[in-house]
Amino acid sequence: AQSVTQPDIHITVSEGASLELRCNYSYGATPYLFWYVQSPGQGLQLLLKYFSGDTLVQGIKGFEAEFKRSQSSFNLRKPSVHWSDAAEYFCAVGARTGGSYIPTFGRGTSLIVHP
Amino acid sequence: DAGVTQSPTHLIKTRGQHVTLRCSPISGHKSVSWYQQVLGQGPQFIFQYYEKEERGRGNFPDRFSARQFPNYSSELNVNALLLGDSALYLCASSLTGLDTQYFGPGTRLTVL
Repeated sequence: AQSVTQPDIHITVSEGASLELRCNYSYGATPYLFWYVQSPGQGLQLLLKYFSGDTLVQGIKGFEAEFKRSQSSFNLRKPSVHWSDAAEYFCAVGARTGGSYIPTFGRGTSLIVHP
Repeated sequence: DAGVTQSPTHLIKTRGQHVTLRCSPISGHKSVSWYQQVLGQGPQFIFQYYEKEERGRGNFPDRFSARQFPNYSSELNVNALLLGDSALYLCASSLTGLDTQYFGPGTRLTVL
């Protein structure tokens, strides 16, 4: 069964600083990988996804992520954080199971942005 | 275009009661999935439906059931509510169930 580990429960950065959120996955085949963001009391918004091809993926809001098969990682990065980026970030790995595709989510990383 | 919509937004129930949550997918999407998100955790998969057929089921008790209607909207039913069922219930839709899922805002269920 697939699993996702987000080792950092909280990350605090200053506005304008760079950001990297870590994600490690476990899955036997080529994974589908996702990053979602969730603002307080809201649903999840897709930031970016990796299915195949170029291992550096560009997403919305200036985010990017790099798939590293050798490290089983899919870390999320942003060169300059804005105060509005403060939210909960979830990494997910998707596995095809029969006729369905089921994503497994990590427990999330809470991003705090200091002015 | 409207995104995934869910109703109600918030709900308060007591132990032992039954609850029905509703979801309308993005227009053109034929698959709906349901997730439970307990405070401080990531979403956990409950069900996936495609063309009114159940395609997948997570590790939840039989108190949880769902169905999908001909217009592709869906209901999640939970019987004999327990305190531990208190959570944000998220619905997500996708074109086929094998592609990217788009999430609704969720229904916050509180069981007293």
